[in-house]
Amino acid sequence: QKEVEQNSGPLSVPEGAIASLNCTYSDRVSQSFFWYRQYSGKSPELIMSIYSNGDKEDGRFTAQLNKASQYVSLLIRDSQPSDSATYLCAVRNRDDKIIFGKGTRLHILP
Amino acid sequence: EADIYQTPRYLVIGTGKKITLECSQTMGHDKMYWYQQDPGMELHLIHYSYGVNSTEKGDLSSESTVSRIRTEHFPLTLESARPSHTSQYLCASSDIHRGQGTDTQYFGPGTRLTVL
Repeated sequence: QKEVEQNSGPLSVPEGAIASLNCTYSDRVSQSFFWYRQYSGKSPELIMSIYSNGDKEDGRFTAQLNKASQYVSLLIRDSQPSDSATYLCAVRNRDDKIIFGKGTRLHILP
Repeated sequence: EADIYQTPRYLVIGTGKKITLECSQTMGHDKMYWYQQDPGMELHLIHYSYGVNSTEKGDLSSESTVSRIRTEHFPLTLESARPSHTSQYLCASSDIHRGQGTDTQYFGPGTRLTVL
């Protein structure tokens, strides 16, 4: 089992709709969770970090964490074509390493 | 905004050459990392450091070496470049302190290496 799993996509979402990206992780004691956005040919940039169960909102982005079920998700409201990118889920594990998922490609349809 | 820099941004070099990819950060972060990423593929951790004189190999076997003589500087060296080393190399850094908002990794712009 991979430590951090994401559906590779592509996930196609109409402009203006909500995009929902999901991630599961295997290390139950993980405490820090991150979502990065990566445009093609560019380096990853941090969108949000989340440490506690529940929702964390920042503008159009909402991260959701459920430690009991070992999943973390990212919601993007009012999706824009500029949101088209690969979204990487990252988890800090018990060995203090940050493990990245393979990423989900998101395509916003104009 | 993160202050982490990589040079060169692009490098095309012949087989057998020795190359050093530079990475510097001005945030005073203790932890630094090197990742390798092929187009459309996942990130692979190849080296990391938790501070001066500390270096560790990552999860992906690599023929490269690193050094950490100064906190702000974490260069990666390939003694003899081969076409199989063609890839994007990403440097990142984070603070050593755990806790909310202090253990986030920030990435540099990357070096795209092509070995002919």
